[in-house]
Parts: sequence; C-alpha cells; structure tokens
Amino acid sequence: GQQLNQSPQSMFIQEGEDVSMNCTSSSIFNTWLWYKQDPGEGPVLLIALYKAGELTSNGRLTAQFGITRKDSFLNISASIPSDVGIYFCAVQETSGSRLTFGEGTQLTVNP
Amino acid sequence: NAGVTQTPKFRILKIGQSMTLQCAQDMNHNYMYWYRQDPGMGLKLIYYSVGAGITDKGEVPNGYNVSRSTTEDFPLRLELAAPSQTSVYFCASRQGLFEKLFFGSGTQLSVL
Repeated sequence: GQQLNQSPQSMFIQEGEDVSMNCTSSSIFNTWLWYKQDPGEGPVLLIALYKAGELTSNGRLTAQFGITRKDSFLNISASIPSDVGIYFCAVQETSGSRLTFGEGTQLTVNP
Repeated sequence: NAGVTQTPKFRILKIGQSMTLQCAQDMNHNYMYWYRQDPGMGLKLIYYSVGAGITDKGEVPNGYNVSRSTTEDFPLRLELAAPSQTSVYFCASRQGLFEKLFFGSGTQLSVL
C-alpha cells in the first residue's frame, strides 16, 4: 500500500509557539488533507487541498499542497492548549475511493 | 444530527470468539470505511464500500468481513478474534469522493 511519511512523530512546545509538520510521499496525489484527532475521538478534517501550490488557511492553521504534488505541510501559529492532539495527513488515491493516512504527529502544548 | 454511530464503545474478547462491530450513518452517504488504529500509529484501511451491495478490501482485510445491505449500515465482522486484532476501530462515511469524511467515535477492542 501507499506509504506517507509524516514528521515529526511528536512535538512538545510551549503555548504561544508556532508549529510546523510535514508529510511526503513517493507518489503523486491530487488531493491532500489534514485531520486532527482529539483523545478518545475520531479524526476531524481541518483543511483540504486540491491544487498543487495551493496555500489554504483555517484560522491559525495554514496548509500548503506541494508543487510536486508529493508533499504537504501544516503550520499552526500561536499554539494554545486545545491544539493538543494527533495531526494526520491523508491523501486521496487516484482511484478516488480510498483515503490513506500518515502515521500522525502527536502535539503536546505546555501552558 | 447523529452522524456516524458506532457500537459498542468498548469490548473485550477472548481468543477465538467472534463479534460484529456496528456502524450506522444517517446522512445518506454512499461511501463508508472501516479503519483500525493501533497505539501510536496511524489509521489503516480494513474495508470500504462505495454503495449498498458493494464492498472492497483495504490495506489490512485479513481476519475481517463486511457487508453493506443498506445505505445506512456497514457492520464489520471478526470471526476468530486474535490478539493482533486488539485496536481501536473507526467507521467513517462521506457522500462523494471529494466530500468531507465523517468519523465515528470509535470502538476500543481488546482480544485476550
């Protein structure tokens, strides 16, 4: 199956700091997605990217779809305690039906 | 709105037992998915369905079966539970290929 390499695996930051995480693939994809999972819950969609080079924001979150279509990054500015959770990148496979997830980045924000 | 409902929330099985994880959605979504999430890992696709009567294997289908007799329901069956199937199972659904994917809150399964 398709492998997505997501890094870093975990991050420990202070409240107010900015955060950056990224996801890479050996294959080209036309749709990149970022999800957040709170403890004990299912993932929730944060940002969807459909066009190479696209930069999209959702509040303090900004994500970019790499120009090569093989990578994406997610930035969180001015982190707050409720940003704690696991962040997943995901890609829509070329057949369209399957969504493949990265391994996740565990974010801890210290007040 | 109920969204995607999974039952049970927790279950402990003995090796060799069988059970069905239930998933129902009330959004009339065509696409439904089952993922498993092992501790500290991402989500792995077990099975998916693009509509009633149609199912297909994902990355890790061995040891599981599914059916999709109605649009609303997509149960996941474990026939002979094994310790390797200890995981958190998530069901998800969406209306179309490029629509938002909605997840249930998960079923935590332990096989001892």
